[in-house]
Amino acid sequence: DGGITQSPKYLFRKEGQNVTLSCEQNLNHDAMYWYRQDPGQGLRLIYYSQIVNDFQKGDIAEGYSVSREKKESFPLTVTSAQKNPTAFYLCASSPSYDTQYFGPGTRLTVL
Amino acid sequence: AQKVTQAQTEISVVEKEDVTLDCVYETRDTTYYLFWYKQPPSGELVFLIRRNSFDEQNEISGRYSWNFQKSTSSFNFTITASQVVDSAVYFCALSEAAGNQFYFGTGTSLTVIP
Repeated sequence: DGGITQSPKYLFRKEGQNVTLSCEQNLNHDAMYWYRQDPGQGLRLIYYSQIVNDFQKGDIAEGYSVSREKKESFPLTVTSAQKNPTAFYLCASSPSYDTQYFGPGTRLTVL
Repeated sequence: AQKVTQAQTEISVVEKEDVTLDCVYETRDTTYYLFWYKQPPSGELVFLIRRNSFDEQNEISGRYSWNFQKSTSSFNFTITASQVVDSAVYFCALSEAAGNQFYFGTGTSLTVIP
């Protein structure tokens, strides 16, 4: 089945720890995106990547890092510098400039 | 300024009623794309429709219909004979051909009461 997978579904982090959220797609899409969603809020763009080995900051990149070593994969690391990381994280992919398709999301909670 | 505005934060309707979700957008591009997504309680955003700026024809898909009007910069979404399964948060989004990003509205939370 073609689609986007995110893991884990739920993630718990202690303060001061870095954690990495996985996002994989087998749709052969060039572009991939990471969004953050807080309760009752819309989506805010963290990072996006149009091609392998290239990515750009979105609106709220501080405290996050990404890599794009393979077309299929776009992992997001939430670093200890992110002061309020508890949120729902959504990954998406698209043929460039076209419809974005979303994964099921990862719910991150800081203990 | 917000590029996509969804003024309705929350809407409640009784099952079988019709409901319209409003979306107003702002862009200077002549080529752009508009989208609607549904986010059920599970969290995943489900793509519903994509419309490009050159196609103002309204679209109907089952109980769903979309009204795109460039004159008022609106792309409204109507659910006919609503059902409990329609309860979700609905997002409108804009993509400009000259850019790399989607601009999402803040979403409208729809509750359908049985």
